[in-house]
Amino acid sequence: RKEVEQDPGPFNVPEGATVAFNCTYSNSASQSFFWYRQDCRKEPKLLMSVYSSGNEDGRFTAQLNRASQYISLLIRDSKLSDSATYLCVVTPWTSGSARQLTFGSGTQLTVLP
Amino acid sequence: SQTIHQWPATLVQPVGSPLSLECTVEGTSNPNLYWYRQAAGRGLQLLFYSVGIGQISSEVPQNLSASRPQDRQFILSSKKLLLSDSGFYLCACQGDYGYTFGSGTRLTVV
Repeated sequence: RKEVEQDPGPFNVPEGATVAFNCTYSNSASQSFFWYRQDCRKEPKLLMSVYSSGNEDGRFTAQLNRASQYISLLIRDSKLSDSATYLCVVTPWTSGSARQLTFGSGTQLTVLP
Repeated sequence: SQTIHQWPATLVQPVGSPLSLECTVEGTSNPNLYWYRQAAGRGLQLLFYSVGIGQISSEVPQNLSASRPQDRQFILSSKKLLLSDSGFYLCACQGDYGYTFGSGTRLTVV
């Protein structure tokens, strides 16, 4: 079983639609959770951190369910510029300062005009 | 905030040739640094990480190596490239809120 699993998509949605991505992780000791965005042939960029209480940043809402080991990202009122691959990222608990990121393989989103 | 410089952006190398990719960081001191590889159509795989000068941890045994000769310099090397080394190589710096990635080097081994 992969450490971080995502539905690869692709998700093709019209502008203005609401779309949700899901992610599950296998390591119950995981400590931190993030969503990254990666445009075609570019480096990943941090979209938002994910907190147990859930958090929102404009049109983006992230949720974490530790009991189910499940993370979600909701995008409301989709824009053409939201088209990208969305990466679910998890870091394990470690005793040192290093925090190795474990990436899901990504969910591809295309927002259509 | 930290800035990561990676070069070159694109590289085409023959099988069996050596490799050296450099990553330098600005805007922070004593950072934790990471090398990731992304093969075509796949997720990012952690290759090496370093918590300080001369300290390297390897996550995946292979024909690549890494070195950290200076606090803000991280180098990825190979003595002889394989076809399977092709991919998108990304250097990352750990921050307080997630990681910052360099713009990456796209390596094609032919």
